[in-house]
Amino acid sequence: DTAVSQTPKYLVTQMGNDKSIKCEQNLGHDTMYWYKQDSKKFLKIMFSYNNKELIINETVPNRFSPKSPDKAHLNLHINSLELGDSAVYFCASSQGTGGFNEQFFGPGTRLTVL
Amino acid sequence: DQQVKQNSPSLSVQEGRISILNCDYTNSMFDYFLWYKKYPAEGPTFLISISSIKDKNEDGRFTVFLNKSAKHLSLHIVPSQPGDSAVYFCAASGGNQFYFGTGTSLTVIP
Repeated sequence: DTAVSQTPKYLVTQMGNDKSIKCEQNLGHDTMYWYKQDSKKFLKIMFSYNNKELIINETVPNRFSPKSPDKAHLNLHINSLELGDSAVYFCASSQGTGGFNEQFFGPGTRLTVL
Repeated sequence: DQQVKQNSPSLSVQEGRISILNCDYTNSMFDYFLWYKKYPAEGPTFLISISSIKDKNEDGRFTVFLNKSAKHLSLHIVPSQPGDSAVYFCAASGGNQFYFGTGTSLTVIP
């Protein structure tokens, strides 16, 4: 029974398209995150939601819009995709917002923009 | 601006020996440090953490050491096992911010 799941696992699309990645956690956690791992292997936080409220919004183009319909879901919508958006996107969740809270990661979504 | 650095992209160790993975950080305000392990095609999984008020934390074969004056932490794995072969990410947090290093790929040779 997967704790943090993401769909799709792979996403190949053309430049200019709009796409969404879905994330769900069944751990009962209050906090969810989106990370981007680029080609240089940097794992960088993009957004964090706590109880459906945005608490971290790093310097990310506003083409990226997270949506949290409830505590268990945090979806990532990307408009007007660009080549530089190609990366692996990880969703994660934790019990709380403090740094001591272990984060549970999903398996990642590999996005390729052609 | 890379606030957490893992300068060794890879490390190979014989089975049974000690693996030492290193991590440096720049921000003295970080209050927690964590290590995550990642297998191919999977997300990172939490391994061990340490608060900035401690200098050592041990969990079985894994020990993390923190040297605040040097802004340096290390992960020791003793004894190393082939199943430990993975990419290890160091992470630091302060407030609601999280920063990860670029990872060190550990290969344990049987």
